Amino acid sequence: QVQLQESGPGLVKPSETLSLTCTVSGGSIRSYYWSWLRQPPGKELESIGYFFYSGGSKYNPSLKSRVTISADTSKNRFSLNLSSVTAADTAVYYCARAEGLGYDSSGHPREFDYWGQGTLVTVSS
Amino acid sequence: DIQMTQSPSSVSASVGDRVTITCRASQGIRSWLAWYQQKPGKAPKLLIYAASSLQPGVPSRFSGSGSGTDFTLTISSLQPEDSATYFCQQGNTFPGIFGPGTRVHIK
Repeated sequence: QVQLQESGPGLVKPSETLSLTCTVSGGSIRSYYWSWLRQPPGKELESIGYFFYSGGSKYNPSLKSRVTISADTSKNRFSLNLSSVTAADTAVYYCARAEGLGYDSSGHPREFDYWGQGTLVTVSS
Repeated sequence: DIQMTQSPSSVSASVGDRVTITCRASQGIRSWLAWYQQKPGKAPKLLIYAASSLQPGVPSRFSGSGSGTDFTLTISSLQPEDSATYFCQQGNTFPGIFGPGTRVHIK
C-alpha cells in the first residue's frame, strides 16, 4: 500500500520560503508522477506542480516563478519550495501520486490516486 | 485555461435516494475526468477515473459517465457515509483543474 506523509513548518512568515517534504513508502518515486497540491480554506483544490523521474519537474504557470519541486530518490521523498509567500498562500498542502497521461516528455499527471493526509501551512507574522 | 464547473453546489437527499452531480468543462477533455470524495479534515479520495472507471475498493453505487465537456457522477442509493463534498478534476492537460465542489447532505 502506497503511503505519503507531508512534513514541514506549519507557520511561515510573509516574504519567506515555504518548505515541505513528502516521504513515500510502499512505492518508488522513480515511477508515476509525484505532485503537490493545495487547498486554501473553503476554496478549490489547486495543482502546484509535479516531479517525474524521467522528465524532471513542471509547475503550474500561476505559481511557476515561485515554485521549485525537487526529489531525493535515495530517500524516496520529494520536496516543495514556495518563495515570497503571502497570506494568499495559506492553505492545506497535499502531496499525491498520480497516474500519467503519457509517461514521456509530453506526459503529465492524469488523476491522483494516493494522497498524504495534508498539512496546514499558515502565512503570518 | 480550462475551467470546470459543477452543479448543484449542494444537494440534500435521503438515505436510499439517487443523487446525480454534473461537471462541465469549458473545452473538450475527451474522457480524462476524475471524481473525488472529500470529508472534513481529510484528503480527497479518488472514486472514478477516466470518466467511468471505478477505482478499486470504491462501492459500486458510485458511477460516472460522459465525455467531451459534460460529465455526471451518480450515487445510485445514498448511504449515510456518503455525506461529503465531491469534486471533479480534468486530467487532459496540465495543470489538472478541479471543480468547485458539490456538498452532499443527508436529510
